[in-house]
Amino acid sequence: QKEVEQNSGPLSVPEGAIASLNCTYSDRGSQSFFWYRQYSGKSPELIMFIYSNGDKEDGRFTAQLNKASQYVSLLIRDSQPSDSATYLCAVNSGSSNTGKLIFGQGTTLQVKP
Amino acid sequence: DGGITQSPKYLFRKEGQNVTLSCEQNLNHDAMYWYRQDPGQGLRLIYYSQIVNDFQKGDIAEGYSVSREKKESFPLTVTSAQKNPTAFYLCASSEGQLLLSPLHFGNGTRLTVT
Repeated sequence: QKEVEQNSGPLSVPEGAIASLNCTYSDRGSQSFFWYRQYSGKSPELIMFIYSNGDKEDGRFTAQLNKASQYVSLLIRDSQPSDSATYLCAVNSGSSNTGKLIFGQGTTLQVKP
Repeated sequence: DGGITQSPKYLFRKEGQNVTLSCEQNLNHDAMYWYRQDPGQGLRLIYYSQIVNDFQKGDIAEGYSVSREKKESFPLTVTSAQKNPTAFYLCASSEGQLLLSPLHFGNGTRLTVT
């Protein structure tokens, strides 16, 4: 089992719809969770991070964390063509002193006009 | 503007040659990291450093070496021992331990070895 799993996609949604991106992780001791967006050929950029169970909203983005189910998701409301990118889920290792962040392979999102 | 600078953007080398990738940050971050990304895959940790003059191996350190002589600089050397060096290399930094501090990435260096 991979440490951080994402469906590689592509996930295709129409413009204006809600895109839902999902991520599961295996280390129950993980405490911080990050979503990065990566455009083709570019480096990842941080969208959101979440530490506590529940929802965290920032503009059109909402991160959801459920530690009991070892599940973190990213919702993008009113999806725009400019949101088309690969979204990487990253989870810190349970041993927080190691400085390790484990990345999923990413989900490719396509927003169609 | 504060940020992380990686150079060069593209690098081409012949097999058997060592090559050094530069990474400089002016964010005053304590921790720095090197990741490797292959097509269609997530990022894999090569090395990281949480303070000057100290660094630790990540998950795929074989064939790579690093140094951290200054807080702002963390160069990565890809040696001839690295079997599949062609990849996209990303340098990152964070204020402190990853529990609380997100990673900030440079623009990356795309290395091609033939």
